[in-house]
Amino acid sequence: DAGVIQSPRHEVTEMGQEVTLRCKPISGHNSLFWYRQTMMRGLELLIYFNNNVPIDDSGMPEDRFSAKMPNASFSTLKIQPSEPRDSAVYFCASSFARTSYNEQFFGPGTRLTVL
Amino acid sequence: AQTVTQSQPEMSVQEAETVTLSCTYDTSESNYYLFWYKQPPSRQMILVIRQEAYKQQNATENRFSVNFQKAAKSFSLKISDSQLGDTAMYFCACLNAGNNRKLIWGLGTSLAVNP
Repeated sequence: DAGVIQSPRHEVTEMGQEVTLRCKPISGHNSLFWYRQTMMRGLELLIYFNNNVPIDDSGMPEDRFSAKMPNASFSTLKIQPSEPRDSAVYFCASSFARTSYNEQFFGPGTRLTVL
Repeated sequence: AQTVTQSQPEMSVQEAETVTLSCTYDTSESNYYLFWYKQPPSRQMILVIRQEAYKQQNATENRFSVNFQKAAKSFSLKISDSQLGDTAMYFCACLNAGNNRKLIWGLGTSLAVNP
């Protein structure tokens, strides 16, 4: 299995530009999570999906952030317009949700730098 | 609100020695799961060990073991025979067994294994 795939691995953009981060979860997993990691705030859950449906987006910072999951094998996180304070590492994780614990498998992350 | 606290921002240990990382958590749920994740400099998040709250026996994975004290809401990680490859950030996390699949994360402990 290829694991969770994220693209791009690195993104450098200028303030005001639109940024789209992509994620392909592990095949068969039905939950997908988007996280943001910074030195100051640690690992923050932005949004998660179950069976392609957004369940909890309370972590999305503001309207500039949006996430979609059009099918079970693809999700995007979009920032429009981007700001320097959005600079962070963005992780996607997936899991197979069941009644017992569900280990989350993480992608390699996208390092976003907004100038 | 559910919280996870890691009180040691940084720790160091000599190679081959033993080190313990502390974690305390707060949850009102009776059934939950606890995890330790490792993030090496490559920034890949890797599951180290998991513990189901209903199990009294402490989980063990090779050189990694936990000391789970349910009444005290403590979940420490012991690394025996430390190796240079154990150098990483270590995150403690808690997952309620209910419908909400959100992992609640600590801020992490940076562990340096010195030769």
